[in-house]
Amino acid sequence: DQQVKQNSPSLSVQEGRISILNCDYTNSMFDYFLWYKKYPAEGPTFLISISSIKDKNEDGRFTVFLNKSAKHLSLHIVPSQPGDSAVYFCAARNSGNTPLVFGKGTRLSVIA
Amino acid sequence: GAGVSQSPRYKVAKRGQDVALRCDPISGHVSLFWYQQALGQGPEFLTYFQNEAQLDKSGLPSDRFFAERPEGSVSTLKIQRTQQEDSAVYLCASSLQPGGNSPLHFGNGTRLTVT
Repeated sequence: DQQVKQNSPSLSVQEGRISILNCDYTNSMFDYFLWYKKYPAEGPTFLISISSIKDKNEDGRFTVFLNKSAKHLSLHIVPSQPGDSAVYFCAARNSGNTPLVFGKGTRLSVIA
Repeated sequence: GAGVSQSPRYKVAKRGQDVALRCDPISGHVSLFWYQQALGQGPEFLTYFQNEAQLDKSGLPSDRFFAERPEGSVSTLKIQRTQQEDSAVYLCASSLQPGGNSPLHFGNGTRLTVT
């Protein structure tokens, strides 16, 4: 049973526009959420995170929003650039020595 | 190098062979994780070390999978009597803090193909 769900396998966005990647989770004990970006033949790289005590975290072009009541988070990239084209993984964990649980990923293509 | 290093990058094994995958974490990182990523899926947790102690091996799919980190730095993931369903990318990650409250730093993975 998938605890972290990314229901859109792919997304295409024009350069300069906003990219919105969505993630839903089922485990109400999750309290820390992360987004990772992955290029082909490379490992995932950390992008941005958010703790459950916040509802928004911003870092440059990247903003993560958390809606705990809906068990939903989203990653906004604005403006989108061709170099943002990659697979984006949502991940979550709960307190303590528990491992990160990943979604299946969303492939973002930013078209010039 | 400053990142997590994994070797080999690619491994082809005949069904029934044993394989050993190596991970060199970032120096000083306490936590080390192994993940398995099948095609089209997200990484799935296999096992976790805090220094040399294997604190969680709940994700290992069978007793054919074994991991060690004897001196608290380099780790080896061993798969005995490989089967076709073991074909995947095996990712190693390390983090500075225990438990992974700090973000994980991943290596580039070892792509294992079992024929």
